[in-house]
Amino acid sequence: NAGVTQTPKFQVLKTGQSMTLQCAQDMNHNSMYWYRQDPGMGLRLIYYSASEGTTDKGEVPNGYNVSRLNKREFSLRLESAAPSQTSVYFCASRIRQGNADTQYFGPGTRLTVL
Amino acid sequence: AQSVTQPDIHITVSEGASLELRCNYSYGATPYLFWYVQSPGQGLQLLLKYFSGDTLVQGIKGFEAEFKRSQSSFNLRKPSVHWSDAAEYFCAVGAAKAAGNKLTFGGGTRVLVKP
Repeated sequence: NAGVTQTPKFQVLKTGQSMTLQCAQDMNHNSMYWYRQDPGMGLRLIYYSASEGTTDKGEVPNGYNVSRLNKREFSLRLESAAPSQTSVYFCASRIRQGNADTQYFGPGTRLTVL
Repeated sequence: AQSVTQPDIHITVSEGASLELRCNYSYGATPYLFWYVQSPGQGLQLLLKYFSGDTLVQGIKGFEAEFKRSQSSFNLRKPSVHWSDAAEYFCAVGAAKAAGNKLTFGGGTRVLVKP
């Protein structure tokens, strides 16, 4: 049981390049999330998928697209990377416990856009 | 809209001393509250959570937090800090039964531990 896994761990892109960040969870969770973390700003939600087949925008969706490939996998795509997208990206999945929910996080992808 | 404020960006504490991290939230209904810890270069690990019931919540690594509705606070405490507690700590609030249960995070408090 690996929990939430993310690939790659590190990536350097040039402005205008595209890439896809991969996320997978083996906990059979329905909901998955993509966040970005910037200094002093905590984590901000980019997109989420409440269940397989659905995706919704979060707080900072511009410049990103997502795909919920199946229940396990939720990918984040940068079509044309910009320096403002330099950040650490975290994927999370959610388990429902009793009346409430808990999110579990992957180890992160550190992205630098030059 | 929900929001979370962690007033202290950095805190330095001596090993063995007590630690308290402040968290204030704004939310229109009963919040679900969380504390996460992030060690350098690592992901976020759940320390503890408050859903309902007893307002004093025990977590892992000897941490506890107290929910005070009247003060809109959920402060994290540890009686005696260890060097391994040096990390960044994030408070988060989530909406009960909301679609997708989106979490809103505070800006984080970085804890430095002096020998």
